[in-house]
Amino acid sequence: IAGITQAPTSQILAAGRRMTLRCTQDMRHNAMYWYRQDLGLGLRLIHYSNTAGTTGKGEVPDGYSVSRANTDDFPLTLASAVPSQTSVYFCASSDFDMGEQFFGPGTRLTVL
Amino acid sequence: GQNIDQPTEMTATEGAIVQINCTYQTSGFNGLFWYQQHAGEAPTFLSYNVLDGLEEKGRFSSFLSRSKGYSYLLLKELQMKDSASYLCAVLDSNYQLIWGAGTKLIIKP
Repeated sequence: IAGITQAPTSQILAAGRRMTLRCTQDMRHNAMYWYRQDLGLGLRLIHYSNTAGTTGKGEVPDGYSVSRANTDDFPLTLASAVPSQTSVYFCASSDFDMGEQFFGPGTRLTVL
Repeated sequence: GQNIDQPTEMTATEGAIVQINCTYQTSGFNGLFWYQQHAGEAPTFLSYNVLDGLEEKGRFSSFLSRSKGYSYLLLKELQMKDSASYLCAVLDSNYQLIWGAGTKLIIKP
């Protein structure tokens, strides 16, 4: 693989279910990010990680959790999905926490 | 609060020039990015400005005035493939990117 991959591409989920969105990068970037993108709004940061083993909260962290066990993987978990979490989710990475961010193809999530 | 403003939508003609403006009010400033996002795809990096002035890269140029909290993206010799959303983002004092809602650019033949 080259760049960032996300899985699944799309998902329809019943409210209350648990869901993990996967993100893997092979660029050995230190920093990784999770965003959600909703129509009419800018990208909003959910959680970030500046390096393996550390994570931080972004603008809209409630209802989401992340982990960063290694450099390459940065999964995002919705513990109990709600309809307001219907969105397109993008994972991104950068070489350092000030640099150009590279984005994955996105996951389109619908919570019913 | 932090705020980034861009026009919601613009229309231009193939072969012409278009300027997309971005104004920002953020807690600190560590640079401004422009990204392009085609419908249904991920954003891709276009430019980065941290000092005042114009940065030129082929058909695309980006300008920054830190004192005015203002940037613009200039696209020349427009092509149909330039139809996309253009996102302005500012790196704030915490080194987090604050994103504008994006400008949808429609190119007409």
